[in-house]
Amino acid sequence: GAGVSQSPSNKVTEKGKDVELRCDPISGHTALYWYRQSLGQGLEFLIYFQGNSAPDKSGLPSDRFSAERTGGSVSTLTIQRTQQEDSAVYLCASSSRSGGDTQYFGPGTRLTVL
Amino acid sequence: QKEVEQNSGPLSVPEGAIASLNCTYSDRGSQSFFWYRQYSGKSPELIMFIYSNGDKEDGRFTAQLNKASQYVSLLIRDSQPSDSATYLCAVNLSGNTGKLIFGQGTTLQVKP
Repeated sequence: GAGVSQSPSNKVTEKGKDVELRCDPISGHTALYWYRQSLGQGLEFLIYFQGNSAPDKSGLPSDRFSAERTGGSVSTLTIQRTQQEDSAVYLCASSSRSGGDTQYFGPGTRLTVL
Repeated sequence: QKEVEQNSGPLSVPEGAIASLNCTYSDRGSQSFFWYRQYSGKSPELIMFIYSNGDKEDGRFTAQLNKASQYVSLLIRDSQPSDSATYLCAVNLSGNTGKLIFGQGTTLQVKP
């Protein structure tokens, strides 16, 4: 079936605005992960979902960041009051189960905060 | 000490040579290890995963794991210019939910 999809592919916003990033995982994958990759940086874990619950939110950098997942499928990452340091590529990955199973990445959303 | 360390490179090899990419990790209890390839402007693509000590081969790629030395490597035989990319080592730490900790990546350049 189709791979992980993300939308939008690019988002340009002004400082202080809120943005929503969407991830549609591979059908049947119960685990979903959000990562962030800043210019010249490695991938940084943000949050993990198992089904609709988020047992690991340890990577969210501030309370401006939140995420939800509904129906065990689509997830939305919301960044409130965006700052320039939020500019990065936001990557979503899914796996058929948690605990070390292979994660497959979507194409990412490139966020630019002006 | 970073949890997952890689030499950033660039590692330059001639076409047809063997490229050797190395990664060390700090958590002795880590169970799962992954190599991803990332072309510029693209998302990471899984190359190989390895769970057990020893070698695992898939085509031109061989992953090697040594848990005692906390070391994982990726060998690329008969390197091609199309292999030029950044290679990311990722580790699933012990006792966690499956989140991956990534190294900074090694840039590989294969010269024709």
